[in-house]
Amino acid sequence: DQQVKQNSPSLSVQEGRISILNCDYTNSMFDYFLWYKKYPAEGPTFLISISSIKDKNEDGRFTVFLNKSAKHLSLHIVPSQPGDSAVYFCAAWNYGGSQGNLIFGKGTKLSVKP
Amino acid sequence: EAGVTQSPTHLIKTRGQQATLRCSPISGHTSVYWYQQALGLGLQFLLWYDEGEERNRGNFPPRFSGRQFPNYSSELNVNALELEDSALYLCASSLVGSQPQHFGDGTRLSIL
Repeated sequence: DQQVKQNSPSLSVQEGRISILNCDYTNSMFDYFLWYKKYPAEGPTFLISISSIKDKNEDGRFTVFLNKSAKHLSLHIVPSQPGDSAVYFCAAWNYGGSQGNLIFGKGTKLSVKP
Repeated sequence: EAGVTQSPTHLIKTRGQQATLRCSPISGHTSVYWYQQALGLGLQFLLWYDEGEERNRGNFPPRFSGRQFPNYSSELNVNALELEDSALYLCASSLVGSQPQHFGDGTRLSIL
């Protein structure tokens, strides 16, 4: 049973426009969420995170929104650039648990067209 | 500051053999995590080591094992290799009990 779901395998956006990547989770114990970006032949790179006590976190062109009641988060990239083309993974963590590991979605491949 | 390093980059084995993958964490990080990314799937958690101890393991058979050395580097061992073990194996490190985890570039394991 997938606890973290990214229902869109791919997304295509024009350069300069907004990219919105979505992520849903089922486990209400998750209280910290992260987004990673992955280029081919490289490991995932940490992008941005959000704690469940917040509903928004910004870092430059990247903003993550969290809707706890809907168990939904989204990553907004504004403006999108061709260098943003990569696979984006949503990940969740139970801070209060003892597991330590992250639970990942399957990823969304973003293509930003010039 | 050096990131997480993994070796080898690629590893080719045949069914039934054993594979050893290595990981060096970021300096100061004591926690090391191993993940498997099979084709078309997300990252699946394998093992978590901290201060030389196995803290948690994912839903993988016992032939997946590992260890963490006093310098916090880690090994992942996979015994009795099966075709389905072909995947990208990623190592990550973090300060204990905290996020984010920082990943290496992975070892691509191919089973023939």
